[in-house]
Amino acid sequence: EIVLTQSPGTLSLSPGERATLSCRASQSVSSSYLAWYQQKPGQAPRLLIYGASSRATGIPDRFSGSGSGTDFTLTISRLEPEDSAVYYCQQYGSSPQTFGQGTKVEIK
Amino acid sequence: EVQLVESGGGLVKPGGSLRLSCAASGFTFSSYSMNWVRQAPGKGLEWVSSISSSSTYIYYADSVKGRFTISRDNAKNSLYLQMNSLRAEDTAVYYCARSPKGAAGVFDYWGQGTLVTVSS
Repeated sequence: EIVLTQSPGTLSLSPGERATLSCRASQSVSSSYLAWYQQKPGQAPRLLIYGASSRATGIPDRFSGSGSGTDFTLTISRLEPEDSAVYYCQQYGSSPQTFGQGTKVEIK
Repeated sequence: EVQLVESGGGLVKPGGSLRLSCAASGFTFSSYSMNWVRQAPGKGLEWVSSISSSSTYIYYADSVKGRFTISRDNAKNSLYLQMNSLRAEDTAVYYCARSPKGAAGVFDYWGQGTLVTVSS
């Protein structure tokens, strides 16, 4: 099973700042089958990015994904107050598909 | 508008059974693979099970294999999860989620979840 390790655990930034979230895999993720989700308290997760860098429908362009192999990054270029949430990465290239433990983004 | 509405959660004793349902609307249900994903209180996400559009392919996490059964009724636009031999560690919010065409394993729409609590 591929283990995904996200860092940092918590990120505290001001509105307008750039957020960089990391997701490292224990082995190579095939075909960049890596997704990112946003989850706000009391809500279901929301798909942001799939295929490592493709934005899902309706996702603002301030969200971008990059990376390949074992190292992936989610970047939020200009933080908005509504971006306060937990962000999860997920690999779906190998069975079983697995999630990282999450990175909490706090807006100061 | 895509909508997924789960039901059937509740409190059950260890060793008991529960059947979750997910009612889908706003899309052609029979054309999409569907999934169950769970989240223990205060914890991260865990994939539970997946079923292809015509039920040909079914997959389970090792943690639930042999105890849970996923199924669907395309005529009723509904997804199900039969959970038997429940354990305390099965306590979680269970989400129904759709996979987009050509991207099995991605979850593009989620329901709001139903809480399952396994406790004596």
